[in-house]
Amino acid sequence: NAGVTQTPKFQVLKTGQSMTLQCAQDMNHEYMSWYRQDPGMGLRLIHYSVGAGITDQGEVPNGYNVSRSTTEDFPLRLLSAAPSQTSVYFCASRRTGQGVETQYFGPGTRLLVL
Amino acid sequence: KQEVTQIPAALSVPEGENLVLNCSFTDSAIYNLQWFRQDPGKGLTSLLLIQSSQREQTSGRLNASLDKSSGRSTLYIAASQPGDSATYLCAVKTSGSRLTFGEGTQLTVNP
Repeated sequence: NAGVTQTPKFQVLKTGQSMTLQCAQDMNHEYMSWYRQDPGMGLRLIHYSVGAGITDQGEVPNGYNVSRSTTEDFPLRLLSAAPSQTSVYFCASRRTGQGVETQYFGPGTRLLVL
Repeated sequence: KQEVTQIPAALSVPEGENLVLNCSFTDSAIYNLQWFRQDPGKGLTSLLLIQSSQREQTSGRLNASLDKSSGRSTLYIAASQPGDSATYLCAVKTSGSRLTFGEGTQLTVNP
């Protein structure tokens, strides 16, 4: 199993540009989520999904869109990048249900918005 | 709103020392608590998960305890090694499926 994979590893954008951060998992996990990690702020939840076709907002959803057309993929879209979105983005997945809730994280995407 | 605090923010110890990392949370109505390890420039790796009904979990040289009523968890690392150097984060699951993370403790184990 590859686990949780993310692409790209690093990206530089100009203000106003759009891009999609890719996330995929091969563990057949129902639950997937996106976090951003910033110094002094810890990890904050952006969006999450409990299964294909179902998404919901997290703590800091503004400026980001998600979709979940398959169990495996959960892309994060930045429609018009802003410098405040400079961060490290992590995708995570887990099974749902009591006792099997260990979260698995991808390696992260480092985004710089100029 | 759940808040998670980790103390200390950074810790430096000599190799072989036993150490304790602390995590506190403001809302005791949690489902579980997880400890993660993060190496520089890498993602998070889950170390231990404690359900709300449990008091502790052990994995090798790691032992995590949970006192839900007081809103505290500790991660005990025995006989520390340079390879243990990393940032350790705790996260609690409260309502729904959300995890709330602390900012982490950056651990350095010196040879």
